[in-house]
Amino acid sequence: RKEVEQDPGPFNVPEGATVAFNCTYSNSASQSFFWYRQDCRKEPKLLMSVYSSGNEDGRFTAQLNRASQYISLLIRDSKLSDSATYLCVVNGFYGQNFVFGPGTRLSVLP
Amino acid sequence: GAGVSQSPRYKVAKRGQDVALRCDPISGHVSLFWYQQALGQGPEFLTYFQNEAQLDKSGLPSDRFFAERPEGSVSTLKIQRTQQEDSAVYLCASSLNGNEQYFGPGTRLTVT
Repeated sequence: RKEVEQDPGPFNVPEGATVAFNCTYSNSASQSFFWYRQDCRKEPKLLMSVYSSGNEDGRFTAQLNRASQYISLLIRDSKLSDSATYLCVVNGFYGQNFVFGPGTRLSVLP
Repeated sequence: GAGVSQSPRYKVAKRGQDVALRCDPISGHVSLFWYQQALGQGPEFLTYFQNEAQLDKSGLPSDRFFAERPEGSVSTLKIQRTQQEDSAVYLCASSLNGNEQYFGPGTRLTVT
């Protein structure tokens, strides 16, 4: 089993739709969780950290379920500019070894 | 302020050549990470520095890969005797607190 797994994509949704991504991780001792977005041929950019209590930033909501070892990202009222690959990131087994998931590609269609 | 910069942005090397990739982190960022990203995949961790100390190099794929950060700022990733399977984008990231990471634009290495 891979350390971090994500929904296989791509997700093609119309503008205004709500879309949810899921991510599961295998290391129960992981402490830090993040969502990054990566545009085509660009570097990953931090979207949001994920806290135990869940957190919201505008149209984006992240949730963490430690018992089931999964993280989710919800995007409401999706925009064309949300089209990107969304990467789930978890700190790995050793110190600061961060593990990225393979990413889920989102295309928001007009 | 200035973000993370990397150079060169593109590098073509003949198989067997040595290459050196440079990363300039955000000023004051203690932590520095190197990743390798193959097409269509997420970044794979290579190594991590806290200041000048290399605390984790578990991701380096072979002893042909070597990284240093001698003064706790600029870092260099060196690949000796490059192979075709080394072709990838090499990403550097820095962090103030070791958690939230800020990435540079990457160096796209093509080994022919």
